[in-house]
Amino acid sequence: GQNIDQPTEMTATEGAIVQINCTYQTSGFNGLFWYQQHAGEAPTFLSYNVLDGLEEKGRFSSFLSRSKGYSYLLLKELQMKDSASYLCAVSPKSGGYQKVTFGTGTKLQVIP
Amino acid sequence: NAGVTQTPKFRVLKTGQSMTLLCAQDMNHEYMYWYRQDPGMGLRLIHYSVGEGTTAKGEVPDGYNVSRLKKQNFLLGLESAAPSQTSVYFCASSPLGGTTSDTQYFGPGTRLTVL
Repeated sequence: GQNIDQPTEMTATEGAIVQINCTYQTSGFNGLFWYQQHAGEAPTFLSYNVLDGLEEKGRFSSFLSRSKGYSYLLLKELQMKDSASYLCAVSPKSGGYQKVTFGTGTKLQVIP
Repeated sequence: NAGVTQTPKFRVLKTGQSMTLLCAQDMNHEYMYWYRQDPGMGLRLIHYSVGEGTTAKGEVPDGYNVSRLKKQNFLLGLESAAPSQTSVYFCASSPLGGTTSDTQYFGPGTRLTVL
């Protein structure tokens, strides 16, 4: 089975940097997803990390440490539109999307 | 392309009523999924399909049935709705089952309330 832990809520200031952490325990691991979900909308893909290290995509970066069961999503130059929930999801070694386990999400509020 | 669409967007049911949620995708994807999302619970898989005519149970299948008669459509049925089924339902599709990257697409969701 898989167990995923991420903070429930975070608040950050417009223009600042925020780091959203995700820890996981799994019997088999392939990769880790990050999704953004605005209130009342569908999740949208941000990143998928398979290898250790940092991957950067514009203002968003995602880090993975397989040995520590740890990932974080880094958002730079925060904008008001970044207020959303951020979902961490773990993909196991065997099986496809039907085996992916989602965390409960971190609700980020960006304040002026 | 419309991507993944869901019908209806909102619905209120009384306990014991039945309804069907429709998911349609125009991307010729083989795999389709139904999830529910509840506060503090994260997305949980209800049922999924690996191709036309096939269905399989996910993590929380009880109280739901599904059908995939056409490749582009995946129907989720509630035969006798219960208040515990109040939730937001998301449909998704993917071309293959493997998790390689950005290949799972979600619909806009259906907000269901059971009184």
